[in-house]
Parts: sequence; C-alpha cells; structure tokens
Amino acid sequence: GAVVSQHPSWVICKSGTSVKIECRSLDFQATTMFWYRQFPKQSLMLMATSNEGSKATYEQGVEKDKFLINHASLTLSTLTVTSAHPEDSSFYICSAADRYEQYFGPGTRLTVT
Amino acid sequence: AQTVTQSQPEMSVQEAETVTLSCTYDTSESDYYLFWYKQPPSRQMILVIRQEAYKQQNATENRFSVNFQKAAKSFSLKISDSQLGDAAMYFCACSGFNDYKLSFGAGTTVTVRA
Repeated sequence: GAVVSQHPSWVICKSGTSVKIECRSLDFQATTMFWYRQFPKQSLMLMATSNEGSKATYEQGVEKDKFLINHASLTLSTLTVTSAHPEDSSFYICSAADRYEQYFGPGTRLTVT
Repeated sequence: AQTVTQSQPEMSVQEAETVTLSCTYDTSESDYYLFWYKQPPSRQMILVIRQEAYKQQNATENRFSVNFQKAAKSFSLKISDSQLGDAAMYFCACSGFNDYKLSFGAGTTVTVRA
C-alpha cells in the first residue's frame, strides 16, 4: 500500500516558539492532504484540507494564523504551529489522498512546555 | 457532510471468539464510501475494510467483515477468530464519493482476553 511519512515523530518545544511538521507521500502523488489533531482516547478531529498549489481550507474553529499549512508539492505538506502554547500539545496526524482512499502518516506528538 | 455514530465506547472479546462493532451514519449524498480503521497503541491508522455504498455485497477482508444496511444507514464490523493483535481502537468513517474528506465516529476500544 501507499506510504506516508511524518517528521518529526515527537517534538518538544518551549512556549512561544514555532514548530514545523512535515508530511510526505513516499510512493504516490497527492493533490490533497489532510491534517488531524487527536487527543488521548478520542477520535481524529480534522483541522484542515491541504491542496497542492492553493490555500488550505480550515475547519470551523481552527485558527488559520496559528496553524499554517503549506502544500508546496504533490508529495509534501507542512503544518507549522506558530507561537505554540501548552494547550497546543497534542498528537497531529496527516493523511494523503489517493483517489477515494486516505493513507495516514504515523503521527507527530507535540509537547509544549 | 456526514455524521458517524459509534455507540460502544469499549468492547471486550475472548481470544478466538467473535465481536461485532456497531456504526450508524447519516449523509445527504447518494454515493459515498464507508471505512473501518484500526488504531493500535502505536497510533498508526490502519485501514481494515472499505465499502462502496453502491455495492450491495458486504465487503470482507480475511477475518473482518461488514454488515452494510444502506436503508438503515448501518455499517457494523465483525471480527472473527479474534487475536491478541486485534486489540486497538476502531473507528468507523464515511466520505463522499467525490470528496476525500473523512468523517469519523468516536471510536470503540476493543480488548482481547487471552
């Protein structure tokens, strides 16, 4: 099956700093990628839809200025958490769409101290 | 847009036995896809099974099968001959036919007893 990678797998940053998470589709081109946030023992919450070459579409309640998404190529999307605060600590998962199916990355655990 | 409901937060099953997870959904689309995903402790999302709504035949993947009742908007997952490796959180999800966006249910945690 298709493979999606995420980097880093775990990041710790200080409050007020920014952190970038990369999502790559390794063996296929993805015009659409998605970013999710997941709290422990809860479901995935869609944050935004990322389309190659265009602005991301954010879900209601997601601060677009805080969670910057860039989809610069057909294999790479990035999520930058700007001015991170402890409440941004969470597990972030990306997925890449290949036709009607989404392939998920392994996730990134963000801890803001 | 779709909404997905999983009413069983937790299920427990004896090894080698069968367990059925419930899922209901609502959608305004005539064509759509339904999925079951598994999330083990590693938190990697793994596709278990996929069902195209226009297909009447229930999808099957080895020990995993679904009971798709389109009129009732029900999509349950049956795990047969449960194994210790089946222990995970299972999510039911739905997407539109031309829209890749997934709507997830709240999830069901499956515990397998040895």
